[in-house]
Amino acid sequence: QLQLQESGPGLVKPSETLSLTCTVSGGSISSDIHYWGWIRQSPGEGLQWIGNVFHSGATHHNPSLESRVTVSVDTSKNQFSLRLSSVTAADTAVYFCARHVLVETIPDYFDYWGQGTLVTVSS
Amino acid sequence: EIVMTQSPATLSVSPGEGATLSCRASQSLLNNLAWYQQRPGQAPKLLIYDASIRATGVPARFSGRGFGTEFTLTISSLQSEDFAVYYCQHYGHWAFTFGQGTKLEIK
Repeated sequence: QLQLQESGPGLVKPSETLSLTCTVSGGSISSDIHYWGWIRQSPGEGLQWIGNVFHSGATHHNPSLESRVTVSVDTSKNQFSLRLSSVTAADTAVYFCARHVLVETIPDYFDYWGQGTLVTVSS
Repeated sequence: EIVMTQSPATLSVSPGEGATLSCRASQSLLNNLAWYQQRPGQAPKLLIYDASIRATGVPARFSGRGFGTEFTLTISSLQSEDFAVYYCQHYGHWAFTFGQGTKLEIK
């Protein structure tokens, strides 16, 4: 059974960089039919897709987050990571990692999710 | 960006009854739509993909329909564990977006 687990600081100061890692177990992150994604959920914004990474290192991110998002993959550790720079209180949310099924050229639905981790931006 | 609009925001239904939730897209998705269920304190769980295909292990009382811009999720004979928040999500275009959710509550 595939499992995903987020890890990282639960508190980040404003203007600093949020860093989270997702560890995948029970399956390979080097799958050719999956992307690996980050989604966040806050009361004000609902569910928001942040970005994706393929095992090759190819990435895509939500344009609304501009250039603040970096998603990367470490296939040797079966992990992928999120960095979100210049955070503000608006970035306070529960952050989920998830597997994103790839059928054709653009990924489809998220079939496995981590439990989520709350990140609070506050001084 | 494709905007997903769900209605109603809250739906009150008695156990054993059925419920139909709606999701509308701001442009055609063909059948590139998924539905998720989220219980309090949990991650969303995939229910339906490609508008009408049940994910593995999802009970047959959950059914999805629709194409283009109008989609529905129907739950027949609601069980206690079905009272949760339901989200739709589009794909087929980068910048995947979710609806704001429909909360299904016990009447």
